[in-house]
Amino acid sequence: EPEVTQTPSHQVTQMGQEVILRCVPISNHLYFYWYRQILGQKVEFLVSFYNNEISEKSEIFDDQFSVERPDGSNFTLKIRSTKLEDSAMYFCASSQSGAGNTEAFFGQGTRLTVV
Amino acid sequence: QKEVEQNSGPLSVPEGAIASLNCTYSDRGSQSFFWYRQYSGKSPELIMFIYSNGDKEDGRFTAQLNKASQYVSLLIRDSQPSDSATYLCAVHNNAGNMLTFGGGTRLMVKP
Repeated sequence: EPEVTQTPSHQVTQMGQEVILRCVPISNHLYFYWYRQILGQKVEFLVSFYNNEISEKSEIFDDQFSVERPDGSNFTLKIRSTKLEDSAMYFCASSQSGAGNTEAFFGQGTRLTVV
Repeated sequence: QKEVEQNSGPLSVPEGAIASLNCTYSDRGSQSFFWYRQYSGKSPELIMFIYSNGDKEDGRFTAQLNKASQYVSLLIRDSQPSDSATYLCAVHNNAGNMLTFGGGTRLMVKP
């Protein structure tokens, strides 16, 4: 069964360092997303991406964050200068369309720890 | 502000019973509603979705939607210990390409 894959599963970084989280969405999906979940809190939307550009972003997704689809398969989230409060589980998701009648499938997540 | 509210629980039910999980949402423009299951430390896993008022059944799961009351629920029949997890309600508004999640209800099914 096709699945969204994320690497690494766990990343520890020092405050102020840049991190790149990687995702391979399901191959025939056209919409890609990043969500995050701080420990014990809600899953929060960060950004959606379609046709090589951002289609929607939340207030959390400030200038420290960027996304890219560098090739036909990978979708990345970059955090330029990490802060302690960026520590969270980051989930990539993908869907066939952006309409609400299409399910979004989530990857297994990357646990980011900023020390 | 679009909000999705769930009782955090824990909701404890005996094995074999029906578990009832509830969710309310604030945005009347919401069109689609999803239930995800999340085991501790794992990613959300889609259980089912519903768009129309009424009931939708899939195996042991039934989703119920009442748009007038801005209320969606999930019933789990014949609950099993393996159903013990946090259940997340997520809402999609066609004005924005994203899901808004509730905080989740922790379900405990006791053998």
